[in-house]
Amino acid sequence: DGGITQSPKYLFRKEGQNVTLSCEQNLNHDAMYWYRQDPGQGLRLIYYSQIVNDFQKGDIAEGYSVSREKKESFPLTVTSAQKNPTAFYLCASSSTTWGYTFGSGTRLTVV
Amino acid sequence: GESVGLHLPTLSVQEGDNSIINCAYSNSASDYFIWYKQESGKGPQFIIDIRSNMDKRQGQRVTVLLNKTVKHLSLQIAATQPGDSAVYFCAETSMGTYKYIFGTGTRLKVLA
Repeated sequence: DGGITQSPKYLFRKEGQNVTLSCEQNLNHDAMYWYRQDPGQGLRLIYYSQIVNDFQKGDIAEGYSVSREKKESFPLTVTSAQKNPTAFYLCASSSTTWGYTFGSGTRLTVV
Repeated sequence: GESVGLHLPTLSVQEGDNSIINCAYSNSASDYFIWYKQESGKGPQFIIDIRSNMDKRQGQRVTVLLNKTVKHLSLQIAATQPGDSAVYFCAETSMGTYKYIFGTGTRLKVLA
């Protein structure tokens, strides 16, 4: 089935550690996005990419990095510079700007 | 369980009743709107969308109403079922942009 796959579902990070969240889509969508979701808040855009080898910062990019080497893949690295990384992270893709398909999310917890 | 949505406003309805969930959007230039449903521990699912040249759109058991004068969007769910229990949120955007603005959401609880 076509869709977006995020892994892992749960991830634990130690202080000072970098971790990478995976996002893969087989929808042949050009654009991919990473959002952060916190309790009581709307989705906040971290990074987005509209074509391979190009990406742009969103509203809360500090402490995060991404790459887009393949159309299908858009991994997100949460670096040690991100001081409050505990959150639910959602990846999305779209063929145009008209509507997203979301992944199932990764819950990241600092231990 | 999933902690997203812990502090959201909650709408409780009896099974079989109709539900109305409201959203005040922020940008008068927005011309495309989507309602999403998010169940605990899962990603958001598309429910229904509407463009600004319409004021009403119907789907299966769901209707979206758009009032551009007061920047208000509503989602009506007919004959609410236990499987409708989730967090619902709206999203808005302008044509030609990548960027959506998401509402904080409303938790719908269906009472048996």
